[in-house]
Amino acid sequence: KNEVEQSPQNLTAQEGEFITINCSYSVGISALHWLQQHPGGGIVSLFMLSSGKKKHGRLIATINIQEKHSSLHITASHPRDSAVYICAVSSGGSNYKLTFGKGTLLTVNP
Amino acid sequence: NAGVTQTPKFRVLKTGQSMTLLCAQDMNHEYMYWYRQDPGMGLRLIHYSVGEGTTAKGEVPDGYNVSRLKKQNFLLGLESAAPSQTSVYFCASSLAEAQYFGPGTRLLVL
Repeated sequence: KNEVEQSPQNLTAQEGEFITINCSYSVGISALHWLQQHPGGGIVSLFMLSSGKKKHGRLIATINIQEKHSSLHITASHPRDSAVYICAVSSGGSNYKLTFGKGTLLTVNP
Repeated sequence: NAGVTQTPKFRVLKTGQSMTLLCAQDMNHEYMYWYRQDPGMGLRLIHYSVGEGTTAKGEVPDGYNVSRLKKQNFLLGLESAAPSQTSVYFCASSLAEAQYFGPGTRLLVL
């Protein structure tokens, strides 16, 4: 079973700061996912990646397959970025099951 | 397209009562999943389905049953609710790696 660890568990930042959230996993994967969950809200997929780097607006996700590690960066953070960010991995196979990290609670203060 | 919908949004049960949570998707996805989310635990897979008429156990299946009689619907049943089943339940569907989540059902068992 893949173990997914996220750090930090909680993160508080000032508006405009550069944010990094880390994710590591224990076993080879077919894809890594970054998800966002606003307080009391649903879960939205931000990125799915299996190599390299992806960028969407102020969000950047990177993955290092050899080191079994991924990072999610937020540039010029804003209070609306406050949410729980969840890392999940899929290990292949025919059922596409995901294993989730416990999430990182990000609070961005104005 | 409505995407993935869940009913009800919120429910209070007494210990021993039964109920069914409904998940519906209009994206013609083969794969559907039921998760529970508890504080400090991350999302955990209860049951999943890889196609109409099929179901399989996930990580925490005890106390739950599921059915997938129609491709678009995935039902989660609690036969005799227990306080330990107080949680937020999320349904998701996918064609392959990327999962699309419903808005969640908040269940309180007294």
